[in-house]
Amino acid sequence: DTEVTQTPKHLVMGMTNKKSLKCEQHMGHRAMYWYKQKAKKPPELMFVYSYEKLSINESVPSRFSPECPNSSLLNLHLHALQPEDSALYLCASSQSGGRGAPTGSYEQYFGPGTRLTVT
Amino acid sequence: DQQVKQNSPSLSVQEGRISILNCDYTNSMFDYFLWYKKYPAEGPTFLISISSIKDKNEDGRFTVFLNKSAKHLSLHIVPSQPGDSAVYFCAASGRETSGSRLTFGEGTQLTVNP
Repeated sequence: DTEVTQTPKHLVMGMTNKKSLKCEQHMGHRAMYWYKQKAKKPPELMFVYSYEKLSINESVPSRFSPECPNSSLLNLHLHALQPEDSALYLCASSQSGGRGAPTGSYEQYFGPGTRLTVT
Repeated sequence: DQQVKQNSPSLSVQEGRISILNCDYTNSMFDYFLWYKKYPAEGPTFLISISSIKDKNEDGRFTVFLNKSAKHLSLHIVPSQPGDSAVYFCAASGRETSGSRLTFGEGTQLTVNP
């Protein structure tokens, strides 16, 4: 089973709203990721959690706040977003990650994404 | 500085023929390479990967070739099927740079014509 699930599938929110994106995996993976993808562009890494600790924050604005309640769940809390934040938000997971991790553990499995529109 | 490059934004092939997608990289610390396939409005799907200790990895219709000296890899799909039409991303990672960080190319849109 290589399934990563994300909810909701679509989200429309105003600039003053607070919402959350959710991601879940049951593959026993210990690394989880948030990416942002704009049309016709590759995914852009936002955050990495390794063993439930935030290990990478790619200088993402504070209006995006990640949370990893346990090894299977990853949330992205959204507040005061801008229209330019509209994008496909992807969650991914991998066996492990970080420096020195065994090769083969780098394979990241992506969820279907949440299509976010900020109005 | 784009460390992973896919120089062909699009490729069109006939059903049943071979599709060859190319990828070049500049960072010599990369030692693991992956290919992903993406349909519109969906997440990327992992296809196949290769470690730098190998020069070829095969999985069904998909074969990835790695030429370390040229810093070049390619994905061969044979025979190509209309369902293969999608955007293909090449990605690279390295144990020393950070195993968690995948560097993606810009993608190649493959269209397989019936």
